[in-house]
Amino acid sequence: DTGVSQNPRHKITKRGQNVTFRCDPISEHNRLYWYRQTLGQGPEFLTYFQNEAQLEKSRLLSDRFSAERPKGSFSTLEIQRTEQGDSAMYLCASSSLAGGSDTQYFGPGTRLTVL
Amino acid sequence: AQSVTQLGSHVSVSEGALVLLRCNYSSSVPPYLFWYVQYPNQGLQLLLKYTSAATLVKGINGFEAEFKKSETSFHLTKPSAHMSDAAEYFCAVSTATGANSKLTFGKGITLSVRP
Repeated sequence: DTGVSQNPRHKITKRGQNVTFRCDPISEHNRLYWYRQTLGQGPEFLTYFQNEAQLEKSRLLSDRFSAERPKGSFSTLEIQRTEQGDSAMYLCASSSLAGGSDTQYFGPGTRLTVL
Repeated sequence: AQSVTQLGSHVSVSEGALVLLRCNYSSSVPPYLFWYVQYPNQGLQLLLKYTSAATLVKGINGFEAEFKKSETSFHLTKPSAHMSDAAEYFCAVSTATGANSKLTFGKGITLSVRP
């Protein structure tokens, strides 16, 4: 069990550019979550996958954001036409229902800075 | 709907002193409650969780929390603070398994430990 991994750890981009982040969950976990955390705040839910199906999206996830989880393994989060307000830490978490409690385990995050 | 309130953004204690971090929740259904710790530029690490079993929950690093339904509280305590406990602490709530178990976080509390 190597834990949840995320790449890249840091991304600096210019306003208007597209960026893509990757999350590799714990291998036996079928649920995957994306959260966004801004300075001084707790993480906020963005979207959720069960296997390859995206089952819920937050209203925070504008049309410029898209997430995928092909084959129910890794997931990508793409932000198109980035804005300065997109600067944040993007966190991925994975979980499974084994044991009944659906505890989420988080990756180290990708810190995005939009100039 | 669910929410978490963490009163105060910063707590400072002396090494060896009691740590008490407060968390109050609101949930329309029986909640699952979590405490996570975050070190600078890192993801979130699970400290402990309440999932409707014992109301006093023991976690890692000597932390524990007590679920009090009548007070809608889930305060985190540690009898004796250590310098390595300095970090940001987040309380979170989720609802039933079998559905989207997204976490709703509080704003977090920064714990400082004085020598």
